[in-house]
Amino acid sequence: EPEVTQTPSHQVTQMGQEVILRCVPISNHLYFYWYRQILGQKVEFLVSFYNNEISEKSEIFDDQFSVERPDGSNFTLKIRSTKLEDSAMYFCANPGHLNYGYTFGSGTRLTVV
Amino acid sequence: GESVGLHLPTLSVQEGDNSIINCAYSNSASDYFIWYKQESGKGPQFIIDIRSNMDKRQGQRVTVLLNKTVKHLSLQIAATQPGDSAVYFCAEKETSYDKVIFGPGTSLSVIP
Repeated sequence: EPEVTQTPSHQVTQMGQEVILRCVPISNHLYFYWYRQILGQKVEFLVSFYNNEISEKSEIFDDQFSVERPDGSNFTLKIRSTKLEDSAMYFCANPGHLNYGYTFGSGTRLTVV
Repeated sequence: GESVGLHLPTLSVQEGDNSIINCAYSNSASDYFIWYKQESGKGPQFIIDIRSNMDKRQGQRVTVLLNKTVKHLSLQIAATQPGDSAVYFCAEKETSYDKVIFGPGTSLSVIP
């Protein structure tokens, strides 16, 4: 099964700072997704990205969030001014290899202090 | 609204027994359903899926049952092993290319 790679695995940042989370998705996919999971809670949809444009976003994905595909392969999630409540695991995902579920990356654990 | 500090339902089973994890979904328009397994510190991992035109699908040691009448989904794990200990999430999509929406998870603990 092809893999989705995320970096860093853990990021600690000061409140108000900008963070960029990186994802290397499975190649040759046009669909990308970002999800987050606050500790002990369910996995929440943030944004879907299709053919270099946002196709859908949730209420969580406010003006502080942005997504980019800076070099045609990597996929980034930027949080402009982090808040304490942004502390969570952030997962990127591609459509599955043999199914319509997703292949998720191992996640970036973001801790805002 | 969302619950803060949600406590996951927990299921404890003896090694070798069968496990059944249940899930209720709310969107009657959902067409595709998925079960994911999430181990500590990892991303959700696809286990098995089922389309709304089916009511049962079997994989290796796992079976998913779908009851559209009562909007209920279940995951059965045969001969549960310690490696099955994880949080299990059901998820749904309205179409094949729609976003996946996760349900609340269930923590499965296997007693050796």
